[in-house]
Amino acid sequence: GAGVSQSPSNKVTEKGKDVELRCDPISGHTALYWYRQSLGQGLEFLIYFQGNSAPDKSGLPSDRFSAERTGGSVSTLTIQRTQQEDSAVYLCASSLEGANEKLFFGSGTQLSVL
Amino acid sequence: AQSVTQPDIHITVSEGASLELRCNYSYGATPYLFWYVQSPGQGLQLLLKYFSGDTLVQGIKGFEAEFKRSQSSFNLRKPSVHWSDAAEYFCAVGDDYKLSFGAGTTVTVRA
Repeated sequence: GAGVSQSPSNKVTEKGKDVELRCDPISGHTALYWYRQSLGQGLEFLIYFQGNSAPDKSGLPSDRFSAERTGGSVSTLTIQRTQQEDSAVYLCASSLEGANEKLFFGSGTQLSVL
Repeated sequence: AQSVTQPDIHITVSEGASLELRCNYSYGATPYLFWYVQSPGQGLQLLLKYFSGDTLVQGIKGFEAEFKRSQSSFNLRKPSVHWSDAAEYFCAVGDDYKLSFGAGTTVTVRA
């Protein structure tokens, strides 16, 4: 596609429910990143994919968070048993090879946990 | 571990005035350094990038940044601000695969 696409753009859920956030990177980009943006907190690194593998999962806040990438393309970030502190904008970005290059960001998914 | 500090949370500047946003980083080797901008309702966009070579880097929209190793700084500047520069600006430091962002500086432009 022309850019990084994320869906849904907005998600409202109840505390304790599971949510799935989707990211479609730019075609041909091997590197894919998930960040979380909370008010006044900047961008928090969550996870990085190179192809289908995730060399660095160090940013995932807890074992309720998981992510996968299939076919070297689409990625899904899953949050189980959501908590109110999970409310944030979840941003996906991709680049040709890695973080030493320009990252192309999606518009994000605004997650609200009630 | 890599980290980025942006000391100024919010800056207000008059249209036509100069702007400087501060960024300090912590990194063991020579890092890749970036400035990104997030305009209202838009995604993050790369302004400029530094890794090696000339320490003064030119970017898009008339922005430039200067790398100072001795001060571990990578400050962003613009000589004359336009109303459209009102946005949130993020400094980032990275290696081959991980990019860490600062908390951001919000710029307000007054007429």
